[in-house]
Amino acid sequence: GQNIDQPTEMTATEGAIVQINCTYQTSGFNGLFWYQQHAGEAPTFLSYNVLDGLEEKGRFSSFLSRSKGYSYLLLKELQMKDSASYLCAVRDLSSGGNKLTFGGGTRVLVKP
Amino acid sequence: KAGVTQTPRYLIKTRGQQVTLSCSPISGHRSVSWYQQTPGQGLQFLFEYFSETQRNKGNFPGRFSGRQFSNSRSEMNVSTLELGDSALYLCASSPGQGALPQHFGDGTRLSIL
Repeated sequence: GQNIDQPTEMTATEGAIVQINCTYQTSGFNGLFWYQQHAGEAPTFLSYNVLDGLEEKGRFSSFLSRSKGYSYLLLKELQMKDSASYLCAVRDLSSGGNKLTFGGGTRVLVKP
Repeated sequence: KAGVTQTPRYLIKTRGQQVTLSCSPISGHRSVSWYQQTPGQGLQFLFEYFSETQRNKGNFPGRFSGRQFSNSRSEMNVSTLELGDSALYLCASSPGQGALPQHFGDGTRLSIL
C-alpha cells in the first residue's frame, strides 16, 4: 500500500516563504502531484514531479527526491489568497492509470 | 473551455436510500476518476473509468458503483446509504488513461440524515 504524510497546519506571514513537506512510501512510484484547495472549492493542479529535482512555476516551486521518498512545495512571497489546503498526491505504477493517493493535506494560514 | 461539471452540487438523503451523482468531463477528456473527501479520511480514490470501462478501483464496499457513457460522462451510485457516506464527492477528468494532470470539478456535497 501507500503512506503519505504531510503536516496538518502551517501559519506564515504575508510576503514570507513557507515550505510544505511531504513524505511517501509506495511500491511503485510514478509521479508526485501538488494541488491547492480553497475551502468549498475544487482542488486545482499546481505541480507535477516525476524526476528528481526542482520544478519552478512563478511563486511556487516543487522538489522531489525519489530515493528519500520526499517532496516539498515552496510558496514564496506569500499572499493572503494563498491561504488554502495544499494536497500532496502520489501516482502508483501498479495502478497503470490515474489513481492518485492523497495525503491528508496541509492547511496554510497566511496572516497580515 | 468548460471545466468538469458535477451535478447536483448539494444533496440530502436519509439512511437506506440510494443516490446517483453525475459528472461531465472537460470536452475531449476520456478518463474520469471519482474521489470521496471527508475531514477524517481526506481524499480517497473510488474508481476510474476510461472508454466506458472501469480501469481502477479503490477500497470501498460494493455499495459504491459507477459507469461511463459513450460521451465520457460518468455517474456514480451509492446504495443503502449510511451516515458515514456523508462527504464531498469529487470527479476529476484527464485526456486519457495515464494522461495527467487530472482536473477536478467542484464536487457534490452529500449529507445523510
